[in-house]
Amino acid sequence: DVKVTQSSRYLVKRTGEKVFLECVQDMDHENMFWYRQDPGLGLRLIYFSYDVKMKEKGDIPEGYSVSREKKERFSLILESASTNQTSMYLCASSPLAGNAGEQFFGPGTRLTVL
Amino acid sequence: QKEVEQNSGPLSVPEGAIASLNCTYSDRGSQSFFWYRQYSGKSPELIMFIYSNGDKEDGRFTAQLNKASQYVSLLIRDSQPSDSATYLCAVPFSGGYNKLIFGAGTRLAVHP
Repeated sequence: DVKVTQSSRYLVKRTGEKVFLECVQDMDHENMFWYRQDPGLGLRLIYFSYDVKMKEKGDIPEGYSVSREKKERFSLILESASTNQTSMYLCASSPLAGNAGEQFFGPGTRLTVL
Repeated sequence: QKEVEQNSGPLSVPEGAIASLNCTYSDRGSQSFFWYRQYSGKSPELIMFIYSNGDKEDGRFTAQLNKASQYVSLLIRDSQPSDSATYLCAVPFSGGYNKLIFGAGTRLAVHP
């Protein structure tokens, strides 16, 4: 089974802190994605990566950066956390080939910024 | 920017009824469409996809696509309380990389 894991289920941080969210997938997928999910707004893409060291901005990249040093790991970084970044963060992966719409999601990290 | 629109609900149906979930999209060039189910507190999982006009059936689920009218539907027959979840419609981004544009989702509540 495809498995996508995220480093924390719940995280509480202070305004201004640097926050790292880690995502690891074990199926050798080329593509990896970071979303945030807020009530009424659905899933919004922050960044994605289609290869090691490659990254592309999604729809809402402001205030975030990413790192992909290894194929299986995709990290989301909040350089200086703010209260409006309180949200559920979901990581996903998908293979380059195969069903273009099938993404496999991790369990999510609920981040609260105080 | 592509848009994918869904009624947020909640859509409340009695057990055993047919639940009909609708999604409209703005890009006439879209070729494929995906339905994800998300239980409360869980992450989304793919349950159906459809590429061609018409119906596609998988067990109690039927996806319907009408490209001329730019809508895609998901029908759930014999709805069960275990079907209570949020259903997300998704359309691939034309730029590739398996990037998806998601609708905000419709919350379905099936009551006994």
